[in-house]
Amino acid sequence: NAGVTQTPKFRVLKTGQSMTLLCAQDMNHEYMYWYRQDPGMGLRLIHYSVGEGTTAKGEVPDGYNVSRLKKQNFLLGLESAAPSQTSVYFCASRTSGSRAGELFFGEGSRLTVL
Amino acid sequence: QKEVEQDPGPLSVPEGAIVSLNCTYSNSAFQYFMWYRQYSRKGPELLMYTYSSGNKEDGRFTAQVDKSSKYISLFIRDSQPSDSATYLCAMSAYNQGGKLIFGQGTELSVKP
Repeated sequence: NAGVTQTPKFRVLKTGQSMTLLCAQDMNHEYMYWYRQDPGMGLRLIHYSVGEGTTAKGEVPDGYNVSRLKKQNFLLGLESAAPSQTSVYFCASRTSGSRAGELFFGEGSRLTVL
Repeated sequence: QKEVEQDPGPLSVPEGAIVSLNCTYSNSAFQYFMWYRQYSRKGPELLMYTYSSGNKEDGRFTAQVDKSSKYISLFIRDSQPSDSATYLCAMSAYNQGGKLIFGQGTELSVKP
């Protein structure tokens, strides 16, 4: 049972380039989330989804887009990367029947924008 | 002002010490309170979960919530080197789609 898998684990981009981070979960969870983690800032919610075909903005959505075409996948896109988007990105998921704060996290994707 | 404030640390203690980690918050709508543990270069994992006010104990870990003071704590008894990690408090309001607001995290090091 893989849980939550993020790809790629590491990526270096130049300013202005685009890329997509993929999150896949095999737990049949309805809810999925993208967070970014920066030193001294904790985890901040970028976008989230409460089910297939739905997405919503979190605390820091600017510069990112997301899609949830399949229940098991949640994609995070950067259309024109900026150095301020250098961060560690975490995907998480939970089932609707679980406790409200019980999220399962992936191991993170480290992105550097030069 | 951040909705959730966490003592920044880092914190270094000798093995066997009692550790106290704390967070304060400003949103009175928060009802679910969590502590996540994050080892270096790993994703966070849920450690303790508390609904509303009160205490919860799980082995060497005790979580306390004081909603009147908007203050939560995590106590670790008989700390071990394996407890060395970053501890993140997190909170959520009812019917918010499970959106969590995290504190900044406290890095804990337990020295043998």
